[in-house]
Amino acid sequence: QVQLVQSGTEVKKPGASVMVSCKASGYTFTRYAIHWLRQAPGQGPEWMGYINGGDGKTKYSQKFQGRFTITRDTSATTSYMELTSLTSEDTAVYFCVRVLYWFDPWGQGTLVTVSS
Amino acid sequence: EIVLTQSPATLSLSPGDRATVSCRASQSVSNYLAWYQQRPGQAPRLLIYDASNRATGVPARFSGSGSGTDFTLTISSLEPEDFAVYYCQQRTNWEWTFGQGTKVEIK
Repeated sequence: QVQLVQSGTEVKKPGASVMVSCKASGYTFTRYAIHWLRQAPGQGPEWMGYINGGDGKTKYSQKFQGRFTITRDTSATTSYMELTSLTSEDTAVYFCVRVLYWFDPWGQGTLVTVSS
Repeated sequence: EIVLTQSPATLSLSPGDRATVSCRASQSVSNYLAWYQQRPGQAPRLLIYDASNRATGVPARFSGSGSGTDFTLTISSLEPEDFAVYYCQQRTNWEWTFGQGTKVEIK
């Protein structure tokens, strides 16, 4: 079955960077995009950006432009997101999601906590 | 940015009741709207796409309707596992936004 498995919980200090991985299985990786979203405590999901599995083209939300990067390794069927210059406002659960037209399925989520 | 406004914020109902959740878009999204269910500690799960189509494996008690700016998610008879948070989401103009969520809780 289609599955996205993310890396584990991260605790970072303000100003640091974080990288989260998302291993895809059960489908042809290059035929779908992988989107990244985050969800702060008690809030709805927030879209951050995506990468095409095939050509690697990316698009980012203007909110994160400049400090957010998505990459992929087709041989490993894995996508990565990196967020730099972390602040406490970046504390959230980060999700990767497979997308053709809609968000389905989602990875299990990775909690990133930013605290001094 | 297209803003999605859900109502109510919380719905207090009993098992067997009918649940109706509304989602209003700040401008037309045609039928490019989906609904997701999120249980505590879990990732969201796609329920309805293109406003009215049930995703694979979603029970028939879930239905969606609407187009343009006004949409509705209906659960015809609540089961214990349906008490959760529901989000609407739109995709237009290379933009993806979510509503703030509606919590369906046990009365």
